[in-house]
Formats: sequence, structure tokens, C-alpha cells
Amino acid sequence: GDSVTQMEGPVTLSEEAFLTINCTYTATGYPSLFWYVQYPGEGLQLLLKATKADDKGSNKGFEATYRKETTSFHLEKGSVQVSDSAVYFCALRGGGQNFVFGPGTRLSVLP
Amino acid sequence: DVKVTQSSRYLVKRTGEKVFLECVQDMDHENMFWYRQDPGLGLRLIYFSYDVKMKEKGDIPEGYSVSREKKERFSLILESASTNQTSMYLCASRGGPEGYTFGSGTRLTVV
Repeated sequence: GDSVTQMEGPVTLSEEAFLTINCTYTATGYPSLFWYVQYPGEGLQLLLKATKADDKGSNKGFEATYRKETTSFHLEKGSVQVSDSAVYFCALRGGGQNFVFGPGTRLSVLP
Repeated sequence: DVKVTQSSRYLVKRTGEKVFLECVQDMDHENMFWYRQDPGLGLRLIYFSYDVKMKEKGDIPEGYSVSREKKERFSLILESASTNQTSMYLCASRGGPEGYTFGSGTRLTVV
């Protein structure tokens, strides 16, 4: 079945550092890909998405490019802030209607 | 904005109790979902519903049931709570093919 693998962390960075969180997937067909973010004490929020190969999703300085050849959707940000500290989930929606989530990556940004 | 409201942020229940977790959404979405979130395991789908009085088992339905008597409300029921059901429970709704809206979660502790 469909699955999502992502680096589990925790990832600890200093403010203004460059962020990469790796995400790879296994799916039949052409899934849509998503990144969700969960801030402390809250539910998940959609951060960005891409629906076809080579699409780039972006939001709040975060970017991710749908790479079909490497089945990847890595999340990047050029300069992280303390307020970016959260858990980040990679997810896909395949042929069915439901989503498959990765295990989440906890990011801590230190001032 | 779509709002998904979960009735309790924190609950403590005793082993063997019947537990009700309530979720209400205000945007007339047809699709609603219950997930549990555990460290290292990410989000796992318990049950979902595509319409009133309709329910489908997710990946881990054992020990749970659900009720959807009205479109806006989706209840998760633990028939006889056990300590291995201690977890964060997240409700979500979806009105179209992309993107979930999540509630803030209910952290349940079974003692």
C-alpha cells in the first residue's frame, strides 16, 4: 500500500539556519503531496501542497518540489525562525480518498 | 475559515469506562475522520465517514466505534477504555479532494 517516510528528528537548528526535512513516498499512480505543520498544543494545519510532478508548493518561506523520479517531496526553508518550531508531517493522497501521513519530524529552533 | 471543534482538550478516564469524544465542523463538509497520534507512529486512521449514518473502518478500528447522526457531528466512542488507548485524538473534516481541516486534538489519558 501507499506509504510515506520522513526523517524523524528531532531536528535542532539555530535561528536563520537552513532547513531541510526529507520526505519520500511509495504510491501507485500519481499522488498529490502535502506538508502539514502542528504547532504546540494545536491540530495540524496545511502548509503547502503539490499535485503533479515538478510542481513546487510554497508558503511562509517554506518550499517543496514534487520529484517523481526520486519519489521525494523534501521541505526546505532558507532561514528558520524560533516561531517555526513545530512538528512537520509529510502526507500523500493517492487513488483513494484518504491521506497517508508520515511519522512527523519535530523541529526546534533556538534563538 | 472552516472550524473543527473538539469538545475536550484533555480527558482522564479510568480503565473500563465508556468514553465519548465529540467533534463538530461548521462548513457542511461531507467527509470526517478520526485519527490517533502517537510518538514515532504519526497519524493513524481509526474511522471515517463520508455521509450521515455512514462509517468506514480505518487502519486501527479495534476497540473503537463511531457515530454520525448529523452531518456536522462525528463522535468517537471507546466502548471500554484501556491504557493502550492513551493517546492524542485528532478529528478532521474535508469538503473537497484536497486538504484536511483538523481540530486542536483531545489528549486522552486512561488510568
